[in-house]
Amino acid sequence: AQSVTQPDIHITVSEGASLELRCNYSYGATPYLFWYVQSPGQGLQLLLKYFSGDTLVQGIKGFEAEFKRSQSSFNLRKPSVHWSDAAEYFCAVGAGYSTLTFGKGTMLLVSP
Amino acid sequence: NAGVTQTPKFQVLKTGQSMTLQCAQDMNHEYMSWYRQDPGMGLRLIHYSVGAGITDQGEVPNGYNVSRSTTEDFPLRLLSAAPSQTSVYFCASSSTGQGYNEQFFGPGTRLTVL
Repeated sequence: AQSVTQPDIHITVSEGASLELRCNYSYGATPYLFWYVQSPGQGLQLLLKYFSGDTLVQGIKGFEAEFKRSQSSFNLRKPSVHWSDAAEYFCAVGAGYSTLTFGKGTMLLVSP
Repeated sequence: NAGVTQTPKFQVLKTGQSMTLQCAQDMNHEYMSWYRQDPGMGLRLIHYSVGAGITDQGEVPNGYNVSRSTTEDFPLRLLSAAPSQTSVYFCASSSTGQGYNEQFFGPGTRLTVL
């Protein structure tokens, strides 16, 4: 069965610094990969997705992610973090019938 | 298009009570799913449906019942609520087609069981 691991429960980054959130997946076939963001008390917002093609994927809000098949990873990056990026981030892999298997999430804290 | 809608937004139940969480979509999507979100656990799949009259279990189906009589609606029933079902519930839908299709999520229902 597929699985997603987000090794970092919490990450604190200074405003203006770069960010990388880690995601490792386990899936037998070509994975469909996603990053979602959730602000407190809010719903899920899709940041970006990888279905095929270019392994570097651009998303909204200045985020990007790189698919590395050899490392089974799909890490999320942003070159300069803003205070408004503080939220919880979820990596997910597409499973059967378009359902998703999610990681447990990484809470991003942004310090001034 | 309203997309995926969920009602109610908030609900408080007592142990043993029953209720139905409503989910509707107006995108003519065949696939619909229910997830629950708990702190530190991410989102976990409860049940899903691939079309009217067809449902199947996900990772955490116990204590929940679903049916799908129309393409638009996919209600989630709690027959006898337990405190362990305190959670935020998200409904999602997607179209069919080759490969994988992106899921669209509703705004969620926050349920507390006392």
